[in-house]
Amino acid sequence: GNSVTQMEGPVTLSEEAFLTINCTYTATGYPSLFWYVQYPGEGLQLLLKATKADDKGSNKGFEATYRKETTSFHLEKGSVQVSDSAVYFCARLGGTSYGKLTFGQGTILTVHP
Amino acid sequence: DAGVTQSPTHLIKTRGQHVTLRCSPISGHKSVSWYQQVLGQGPQFIFQYYEKEERGRGNFPDRFSARQFPNYSSELNVNALLLGDSALYLCASSLGGSLTDTQYFGPGTRLTVL
Repeated sequence: GNSVTQMEGPVTLSEEAFLTINCTYTATGYPSLFWYVQYPGEGLQLLLKATKADDKGSNKGFEATYRKETTSFHLEKGSVQVSDSAVYFCARLGGTSYGKLTFGQGTILTVHP
Repeated sequence: DAGVTQSPTHLIKTRGQHVTLRCSPISGHKSVSWYQQVLGQGPQFIFQYYEKEERGRGNFPDRFSARQFPNYSSELNVNALLLGDSALYLCASSLGGSLTDTQYFGPGTRLTVL
């Protein structure tokens, strides 16, 4: 079936550190891939997306590249801020589950000053 | 432009009761999806509606039902509430013409079942 696996957290970093959150997906069909962010007590916000292999999504300093050969969509940011503290979800859409977003389990990121 | 709106924000019910959650999509979007997010987990797909028709259903019991209205807003109904139904219920809207359209989420309704 379709699934998404994220690196287990929580992740704790100091401000201005480099961030990587790993995400892999099952290679069923040709899904679109997403990163959503959830701040405490809120819904999910779309952070970035990529719809085909080798596409790079980027937003607010975050980047992720759709890697078909490694079935990965790792999230990176060169210099994190305290305001980036949140839960990050990797998700896939399409393939054999049209219309249904399948999420990873989420990674809690805490950034200290 | 207004984003996805959901009501109510919070809700407390007791076991066995019924609940109705409401969602208004982004203007121009014709598809609404519902997700359940239990604390500490990723959201799980419940339903997707497009042009008032159910287009997809997740692995949830028949106690869960939904509908979409001519103005594309939607309701999620849950009957015979169980303690395990306590969760954040998220609504997402999308243009809907393609099944792979990006979904944009509302703030959610926090349901607590006592």
